[in-house]
Amino acid sequence: DTAVSQTPKYLVTQMGNDKSIKCEQNLGHDTMYWYKQDSKKFLKIMFSYNNKELIINETVPNRFSPKSPDKAHLNLHINSLELGDSAVYFCASSLPSAGDEQFFGPGTRLTVL
Amino acid sequence: AQSVTQLDSHVSVSEGTPVLLRCNYSSSYSPSLFWYVQHPNKGLQLLLKYTSAATLVKGINGFEAEFKKSETSFHLTKPSAHMSDAAEYFCVVSTTSGTYKYIFGTGTRLKVLA
Repeated sequence: DTAVSQTPKYLVTQMGNDKSIKCEQNLGHDTMYWYKQDSKKFLKIMFSYNNKELIINETVPNRFSPKSPDKAHLNLHINSLELGDSAVYFCASSLPSAGDEQFFGPGTRLTVL
Repeated sequence: AQSVTQLDSHVSVSEGTPVLLRCNYSSSYSPSLFWYVQHPNKGLQLLLKYTSAATLVKGINGFEAEFKKSETSFHLTKPSAHMSDAAEYFCVVSTTSGTYKYIFGTGTRLKVLA
C-alpha cells in the first residue's frame, strides 16, 4: 500500500493555464505539507496543514492555493502558471511534532512551456 | 533560527570504500535532525533521525550518523559504499518551536565509482 500518493506524476502545460496536483496519505497523520524542489534540487516548504487547518504559508504567491477537504488529502491548485513554476512538487505527511519524520510522496514534475 | 549546511555539494567514492557526507547545523534548542536520500526521479526516503536520545544513530542500508553538540555536526557515514548508494542526500533540521517544519540542506550528490 502506498503511504503518500500524488497525481499526476508528470504535468506539462502552457503558461497561463490553471492546474491541480492531488495528494493523499493513508498513514492517519494529522499534518500534511507541500514542498517545491527547484532545478538545483533545493527543497523548500510551501504550505502545511494540520487537521485541515493551514498552519504554514511560506510567502508563496497567491496563485498557489492549497485545499484540504479532509485530513487525508491536501491538494495544490495553481492559477495562471508561469515558467518559473516548473519544478518537482512533493507532498508529505507526519505526526505533528518536531521529532516525527515526514513521509514523502513520489513527486509531481511540473513543466510549464 | 535553525539552519543546516551541507559542506560538500558532490562526493565521489569508489565502491567498497567508506562514505562521509558532512552536515553542520545551527539551532538555539536541542535539534531534531534527519538524513534523507533521494534516488534519481524518486521521492525522499528517511535514512535516520536524531531526536535527543543516543548520539550515534543507526539507519537503514548500513548508514549511521553521530550527533556532536560541541561541533554542531551530524555527519553521515557508511563503512563500505555500494553502487546503489549513488543518490542525492539531504540533511534536515526540524524547527522546534511553534509549528514544526523541515529546513533542508542544499544536498550532497554521492557518486560511487566501480
